[in-house]
Amino acid sequence: KQEVTQIPAALSVPEGENLVLNCSFTDSAIYNLQWFRQDPGKGLTSLLLIQSSQREQTSGRLNASLDKSSGRSTLYIAASQPGDSATYLCAAPHTGANSKLTFGKGITLSVRP
Amino acid sequence: NAGVTQTPKFRILKIGQSMTLQCAQDMNHNYMYWYRQDPGMGLKLIYYSVGAGITDKGEVPNGYNVSRSTTEDFPLRLELAAPSQTSVYFCASSYRGWETQYFGPGTRLLVL
Repeated sequence: KQEVTQIPAALSVPEGENLVLNCSFTDSAIYNLQWFRQDPGKGLTSLLLIQSSQREQTSGRLNASLDKSSGRSTLYIAASQPGDSATYLCAAPHTGANSKLTFGKGITLSVRP
Repeated sequence: NAGVTQTPKFRILKIGQSMTLQCAQDMNHNYMYWYRQDPGMGLKLIYYSVGAGITDKGEVPNGYNVSRSTTEDFPLRLELAAPSQTSVYFCASSYRGWETQYFGPGTRLLVL
C-alpha cells in the first residue's frame, strides 16, 4: 500500500530564502508524482507533475525532482516570497493504480517579509 | 472554462439528514474524484469514476454514494449524516487517470 510522508509539517523562512520541501513514498513503482498548493480555505492547485521517466520538472521559481530508487521527491522554491505562503502537498499513485492518488499531509510554509 | 465547480460552499446538517453535494466540470474530463480532507490530514479518496456510468470505491466509501450519468456531473450523496462526516469535500477531475488533477473549491460540511 502506498504511503506518502511529508516532514516537517510546518516551515517558516525569511523572504528571499531558497528552500526545499521533501516528500517520501513507499512504493517506488509509480508512473508519476504530483505537487499541489493549497491556500487556506481553498481547493488544491496543481504545481508540477513529474513523470517517472523524468528526473526534474520546472515551472518558474519551482523545480521538482524525483528519485524513484530512494522513494523521494523534492520541491525547490527559489527566492521565496510572502505570496508563496501556503500548504504544499505531494501525491503519488496508489499501488497498482495510476489513476488514484495517495496524498501526504502537506507542509505549511510561511514566508516572513 | 469554469473548470470544476462545487455546490454548496457550506452546509450544516443534523444527524440523520441526507444531502447531495454537487460537482460539475466543463473540461470534457473522463475521470472524476471525490475526496474528503480532515484537519491536519491529507486527502482521502471516497469514490471515483472513469467515465459516465462507471464508478468505483476509494479508501473511505462508507456512508456515501455516487452516480455518474453524464461526463460533466458527479454528485456525492450522503445518507443518514453522522458527525464523523464533518469535513471539507473536494471534487477533482482529469482527462486521463494519470494526468494532472484539477480541483474544485470545496464544500465545507458540518454535521451536528
